[in-house]
Amino acid sequence: AQSVTQPDIHITVSEGASLELRCNYSYGATPYLFWYVQSPGQGLQLLLKYFSGDTLVQGIKGFEAEFKRSQSSFNLRKPSVHWSDAAEYFCAVGHFRDNYGQNFVFGPGTRLSVLP
Amino acid sequence: DTEVTQTPKHLVMGMTNKKSLKCEQHMGHRAMYWYKQKAKKPPELMFVYSYEKLSINESVPSRFSPECPNSSLLNLHLHALQPEDSALYLCASSQDESPATNKETQYFGPGTRLLVL
Repeated sequence: AQSVTQPDIHITVSEGASLELRCNYSYGATPYLFWYVQSPGQGLQLLLKYFSGDTLVQGIKGFEAEFKRSQSSFNLRKPSVHWSDAAEYFCAVGHFRDNYGQNFVFGPGTRLSVLP
Repeated sequence: DTEVTQTPKHLVMGMTNKKSLKCEQHMGHRAMYWYKQKAKKPPELMFVYSYEKLSINESVPSRFSPECPNSSLLNLHLHALQPEDSALYLCASSQDESPATNKETQYFGPGTRLLVL
């Protein structure tokens, strides 16, 4: 069965430090992977996505993610965190259900706190 | 423009009330979604509309009734809700290309924060 895990429930980093958020997936077919960010009380904003090709994808706000098929991972990185990056981060895999269309399988989320 | 709008932003209702949530997009997307999100949890899929037809209903109680009047609008009608239905309700849309695949990018609205008393 398809699933997405985000091993870290909560991460705290200092402003200016580097960041890596982990995402592992289990999916029987070609995975299409997404990272979304959600500020408190807000909707989800797409950071980046991976469909095919170069395994290192660039997103908005200085984020990047690397797809590693051998490790079933799609980790999100940022070289220097800003206080405004404090939010909840969700990894998701697109899942196609025959005759019903596509939906997402979301990971449980990682909450990022940033220290000044 | 990748904007999905939702109204109202906040809603407080009693258990006997009838209310509706509205969602609108003008990106020409043909798939629209309703999600329910509880605090500190990922969004849970409720309904999917594809080309204005209901394609997925995740066994949602009948007190939630979706409606897709046209390709740009999605409503969620609420009736006789319970306090445990209090949550953030998110709408999303995607292109819904043909042939269908699992690589649809979903764009989310800001959500409606619902409180049921």
